[in-house]
Amino acid sequence: DVKVTQSSRYLVKRTGEKVFLECVQDMDHENMFWYRQDPGLGLRLIYFSYDVKMKEKGDIPEGYSVSREKKERFSLILESASTNQTSMYLCASWAPRGNTEAFFGQGTRLTVV
Amino acid sequence: AQRVTQPEKLLSVFKGAPVELKCNYSYSGSPELFWYVQYSRQRLQLLLRHISRESIKGFTADLNKGETSFHLKKPFAQEEDSAMYYCALSSGGSEKLVFGKGTKLTVNP
Repeated sequence: DVKVTQSSRYLVKRTGEKVFLECVQDMDHENMFWYRQDPGLGLRLIYFSYDVKMKEKGDIPEGYSVSREKKERFSLILESASTNQTSMYLCASWAPRGNTEAFFGQGTRLTVV
Repeated sequence: AQRVTQPEKLLSVFKGAPVELKCNYSYSGSPELFWYVQYSRQRLQLLLRHISRESIKGFTADLNKGETSFHLKKPFAQEEDSAMYYCALSSGGSEKLVFGKGTKLTVNP
């Protein structure tokens, strides 16, 4: 029944490490998103993708990059992790023209030490 | 630019009382508005969307284009309504989905 799966529930990484967060969806949705969720700041859009190999910056793309080589998979990359990237990361997928809802993953709690 | 404002970070009501969670948006075109909910230790999930004009779990929301608002209402709150509520906007045809900062609703017994 799970539709959007994030590869890790919890991650602890050191400052300066390269970090990969993976997300897979099984609904053949065109759009996929990465958000970070912080108390008092809500969900802030980092990047989104509307097709394979297509990506758009969201509101807070600095320090992040993404990759979408296959329709079902959307990866978030922290090139050099910093402590201010400690957060909950949420992946979502959506078919905007299908009048459907966006489905979210369970979230990855990343701690950078 | 698309922007969603939820002015209340926290909202506390007693069981059986009416509840209204406010949402205002900024967008010049024809928006699509949604309410998402996150219960404790659960995934974020859709509660309702303006285009379907439905009532889910007793909640309703009306899109007011004049006031650029999409407030969420329920006449009689239940304890199980306690959750984090997010208003979201898509610019109908845009690929982007933008969320507000959320309102934490607590329904006290």
